[in-house]
Parts: sequence; C-alpha cells; structure tokens
Amino acid sequence: DVKVTQSSRYLVKRTGEKVFLECVQDMDHENMFWYRQDPGLGLRLIYFSYDVKMKEKGDIPEGYSVSREKKERFSLILESASTNQTSMYLCASRGGYFGYTFGSGTRLTVV
Amino acid sequence: DQQVKQNSPSLSVQEGRISILNCDYTNSMFDYFLWYKKYPAEGPTFLISISSIKDKNEDGRFTVFLNKSAKHLSLHIVPSQPGDSAVYFCAADYGGSNYKLTFGKGTLLTVNP
Repeated sequence: DVKVTQSSRYLVKRTGEKVFLECVQDMDHENMFWYRQDPGLGLRLIYFSYDVKMKEKGDIPEGYSVSREKKERFSLILESASTNQTSMYLCASRGGYFGYTFGSGTRLTVV
Repeated sequence: DQQVKQNSPSLSVQEGRISILNCDYTNSMFDYFLWYKKYPAEGPTFLISISSIKDKNEDGRFTVFLNKSAKHLSLHIVPSQPGDSAVYFCAADYGGSNYKLTFGKGTLLTVNP
C-alpha cells in the first residue's frame, strides 16, 4: 500500500512565522497535492506538482508556496503565517488513474 | 463554479438503517467517480469508486449508483453502523484533469446507536 507521511500531526505557530509542512510518499508517484480542509468549505486545492521541480497553483495559492526537489517529497511553505491559515492541511499523492492516497493531515494553529 | 455538489451538509440515521448520500455534478466530461471517508483529525481514506461505463458498484455494505443522464451519484450504506459516522466526500475525475480530483464539500453522516 502507498504510504503518505506528513511530518507533524499538530503544529502551533505564531503570526508572521515561516512554516514548513513536509510530506513524503513511498510509491514513486509523480503527482502530489496539498489541500486544506475547513468546515463548510470542503477540500480546497492549494498547489500540486506532477513532477520534480514542477508545480502548479491550485484554487487558493495565495500566501503559500511549495517545493519539490525530490520525487518523494512535497513541501508546503507558509511564507508568513496568518491566523486565517489555521486549518487542517492534507497532502495526497496519485500514481495513475486510481484515486489519491492522503496523509494523516496536519492540524495547524496560528496564534 | 462548483462542479461537484453535495447538497446535504449533514445526515443523521439510526443504526441498522440505510444511509443514502447524494452527489451531483455538472461537468459531462467526468468519467470516474470516487467516495472518500474522513474521520476527524485524520486524512480521507478511499471508500469506493465507479467508472462511467457502469451504473452500479458494490463493495460489502457500500454501493455506489451512477445516473449519467441526471449527472447524479449516490452512496448507499446498508446497514449503517455507528463507526460509519464521518464526513463523506464525493470526487470526480476525467482524462484531461492532470490527475486532479474535483471534490464536493462533504456530507457529515451521523449514525445513532
């Protein structure tokens, strides 16, 4: 089974901090995604990547950036954390026509 | 422009009864549909899928029905169990999507003992 590992389950950061969320998958998938989940808003796509060093903006990229230096690792960066970025962040990978495999999520609180 | 809609934010059923979760879509290019289940503080997990060449797919207590003419799919859970209480997301895909799934906003299912 594909495993997608997110480095932290819970994070608390201060406003203005630079925050790194790490995601690693172990099945050589080309496609990786970052979503945030908020009540009533469902899953919103922040960024995705279909290859090393390739990235595409999703629906809500403002305030975020990403890095994909190696195929297995896709990092989400909050350049200057704000309270409205308090959310559940979900990483996913996909290797073909089948659906995503999600990580366990990171609950980020910005204070 | 929401291409996948789950119009019921929540649903409550009694244990042992049937749960029916609905999903509508607008993009006629979608040809593959998936349901994910999500518990609080966990990532979504894949539940069941259906290709547009079928109108039904069954896996144990879970059955997904697809009505292409109505652009509607539904997930049936029979019998419902308290452990089924979770948020259920409907998702859709098509060949030119760059492997991006389009998700609905989810339905919170509560199964009461």
